[in-house]
Formats: sequence, structure tokens, C-alpha cells
Amino acid sequence: DVKVTQSSRYLVKRTGEKVFLECVQDMDHENMFWYRQDPGLGLRLIYFSYDVKMKEKGDIPEGYSVSREKKERFSLILESASTNQTSMYLCASSLFGQGKGNTIYFGEGSWLTVV
Amino acid sequence: GDSVTQMEGPVTLSEEAFLTINCTYTATGYPSLFWYVQYPGEGLQLLLKATKADDKGSNKGFEATYRKETTSFHLEKGSVQVSDSAVYFCALSDRDTGFQKLVFGTGTRLLVSP
Repeated sequence: DVKVTQSSRYLVKRTGEKVFLECVQDMDHENMFWYRQDPGLGLRLIYFSYDVKMKEKGDIPEGYSVSREKKERFSLILESASTNQTSMYLCASSLFGQGKGNTIYFGEGSWLTVV
Repeated sequence: GDSVTQMEGPVTLSEEAFLTINCTYTATGYPSLFWYVQYPGEGLQLLLKATKADDKGSNKGFEATYRKETTSFHLEKGSVQVSDSAVYFCALSDRDTGFQKLVFGTGTRLLVSP
């Protein structure tokens, strides 16, 4: 089975702190994603990476950056956390180039509270 | 741009009732369509998918048929169980992104009581 592991399930950070959310997948997937989930808004894509050191902005990249130094690891960085970044963050991965049946696999999520 | 519209929840049902969660989409061309489920405290799991018109995806008693003419992909189950209580997300991917990314609806919460 595909496993996408997010290192922290629950975090509480202070406004202005730099926050790292880590994600590791064990299936040699090229694609990795960070989504944010908020009630009434569904999931929104923050950043997407299709290869090591490659990244692409999603729909809501402001206030976030990412790092992908190794194929299996994709980190989301909040340079200066703000209260409006309190949310559930979901990491996901998939194979590249699978066409119409391409399936994206999700981790269990990281609940971030910024106080 | 692409979008997915789901019925607002929560949907509240008694055990063994029939379930329908509506999903319609706007996309260019012929997207692939998905239903994901999120159980309490967990991430999303793929429930079923369909990649072309008139395809029916099915899994765990859930079904959804890709209707091109009505741009819909409604989720159905004949007899729900308490364990089906979760949030259900409809999603699509399309050729513009090489089917690499998903666009999600807002989710519909299902509550099933004994």
C-alpha cells in the first residue's frame, strides 16, 4: 500500500514563527502536493512538485514556500506564521504521467493552530 | 476554470437509508472524476473514480456514474451504515494539467444514526 506520512499530526505555533511541515512518501512517486483544508472551502492546492527541486504554485501559495531536496520528501514552510494560516494541511503524492486514471494518495493531515 | 459543486451538508440519515450526494462539474474536455472519503481524524482516501462518459465507479457499496450530458457524478449507496459517517469530496482532473492535479468540491458531511 502507498503510504504518505506527515511527521506532525497536531502543532501549535505562535504568530511570526517559522513553521516546517514534513511529508514523506514510500512509493517512489514523482508528484507531491500540499493542500490546505478549511470548512466550507474544501481542499485548495498550495504547491505542487513534479520532481526533485521542481515546484509549481497552486491556487493559494501566498505566505508559503516548499522544499523538495529528495524525491520522497516534500516540506511546506510557513516563513512567518499568521493566525489565518490555522488550518488542516494535507500532503499527497502520485505517479507522474498516468493519464486519466491517475490516483492521488493522501497523508493523514497536520492540524496547525497559530496563536 | 474548472470547478466542482457539491450539495451542502450535513446529510443526516438513519441506518439502512438510501444515500445520494449530488456533484456537478465544470471543465473543458473530458475530465476524470473522483469521490474521496475522509473519516473523522483521518486524511482522504480514494473511494471510486470514472475516467470517461457513462463509466460507473463502484466500491464498498457506493456507486457513481459519469454523466457527460448533465456534467454530473452523483454518489449513491443503497443502504448506509453508521460506519459510513464521514465527509465526502467530489473531485476532477483534466487534460489541461495532464491529469496530474485535482480540483475539489467543498465536501459533504454524512451523518448516519443507528
